[in-house]
Amino acid sequence: EDKVVQSPLSLVVHEGDTVTLNCSYEVTNFRSLLWYKQEKKAPTFLFMLTSSGIEKKSGRLSSILDKKELSSILNITATQTGDSAIYLCAVEDSGNTGKLIFGQGTTLQVKP
Amino acid sequence: GAGVSQSPSNKVTEKGKDVELRCDPISGHTALYWYRQRLGQGLEFLIYFQGNSAPDKSGLPSDRFSAERTGESVSTLTIQRTQQEDSAVYLCASSRGGARWSEQFFGPGTRLTVL
Repeated sequence: EDKVVQSPLSLVVHEGDTVTLNCSYEVTNFRSLLWYKQEKKAPTFLFMLTSSGIEKKSGRLSSILDKKELSSILNITATQTGDSAIYLCAVEDSGNTGKLIFGQGTTLQVKP
Repeated sequence: GAGVSQSPSNKVTEKGKDVELRCDPISGHTALYWYRQRLGQGLEFLIYFQGNSAPDKSGLPSDRFSAERTGESVSTLTIQRTQQEDSAVYLCASSRGGARWSEQFFGPGTRLTVL
């Protein structure tokens, strides 16, 4: 059965800290790996990764995929309270649907 | 509106009742997805619609769940004879669809509570 596992499940840090969130997957038909940020209800898209070793970067956030290790990390540097959210990792199935297989999420709390 | 909208935002029902959840995708988006998110969990895929093609229903957890979509417009997810384990946030997403990857945009969800 396809699965995506994230760690840690929750994390509490202080403003200015750097955090690393982990995602590992076992998916038969891998197309891409995506990261989402979920603050209230609707997840918002952060990154899509398809190639190993190529870092995607957006401001203080960056992510990289390791297809050999079947994993990805999401880094957030100089964290701010506004980074507090659930971070979801998802793997896109390579079938025609584009359906996403989600991990259980990492809840990040950034304290002032 | 510019984004995906869902209604109602919250729904409280009694065990055994039927409920209907609505999703309005972004105009022009041919692909539409329903996901379920239980408390403290990630999103579970339920069903996928692409244009007029047959839907992918592989994620529906039981025959109490069904969904419809007319063309490329509104979709409704129906849960019959609701059970307490159906309590969750039901999220809808739409995308441009097609062969190339396109971002899924999520709606705000419907929080369903079955008493």
